[in-house]
Amino acid sequence: NAGVMQNPRHLVRRRGQEARLRCSPMKGHSHVYWYRQLPEEGLKFMVYLQKENIIDESGMPKERFSAEFPKEGPSILRIQQVVRGDSAAYFCASSLNRVSGQETQYFGPGTRLLVL
Amino acid sequence: DAKTTQPTSMDCAEGRAANLPCNHSTISGNEYVYWYRQIHSQGPQYIIHGLKNNETNEMASLIITEDRKSSTLILPHATLRDTAVYYCIVREGNFNKFYFGSGTKLNVKP
Repeated sequence: NAGVMQNPRHLVRRRGQEARLRCSPMKGHSHVYWYRQLPEEGLKFMVYLQKENIIDESGMPKERFSAEFPKEGPSILRIQQVVRGDSAAYFCASSLNRVSGQETQYFGPGTRLLVL
Repeated sequence: DAKTTQPTSMDCAEGRAANLPCNHSTISGNEYVYWYRQIHSQGPQYIIHGLKNNETNEMASLIITEDRKSSTLILPHATLRDTAVYYCIVREGNFNKFYFGSGTKLNVKP
């Protein structure tokens, strides 16, 4: 049973370009979460999605960032017009359920974004 | 924002038990305590979680106090590969938002 998959693992963009990060949850999981980790810091929650719905985006910057989890295909975190401050590791996690005690999140290997 | 408090760092000798404490005095209702670890810059790895009773799996044991205001993660025989940042997490609010905080940097020494 494959775990959470993320691609690309490394992404280099110049300022002003767009970055698209993909996440395929574990088989059978319909809940996806995105976190960002700056160097030497802990993970910061960005957004929580279910299929075709954004449940909680309280941690996502209001501008340039968007996320989706379509009915078919992976979840996408999109960053438009990237700036150097967007350089970070972006982790995706998935869970089977949101019922208390069953919401264990399993993390992917992350995408390291470097903005030049 | 933090609902948990952990020491910044701890040392442990290889082969000995590592006991990592966590305070979560504001935990409420049916909130579970989760433990993850992050080795170097890899994705966080789930270790264990619990509600009231002590829990054990192949990786670790989780001891939760009776008042549920604190817990201890126990790695029974630490190895060098257990060197990592360990995060104690209580879910925030009604949604599955995990707040990771700064965690405890465990250094396992030979």
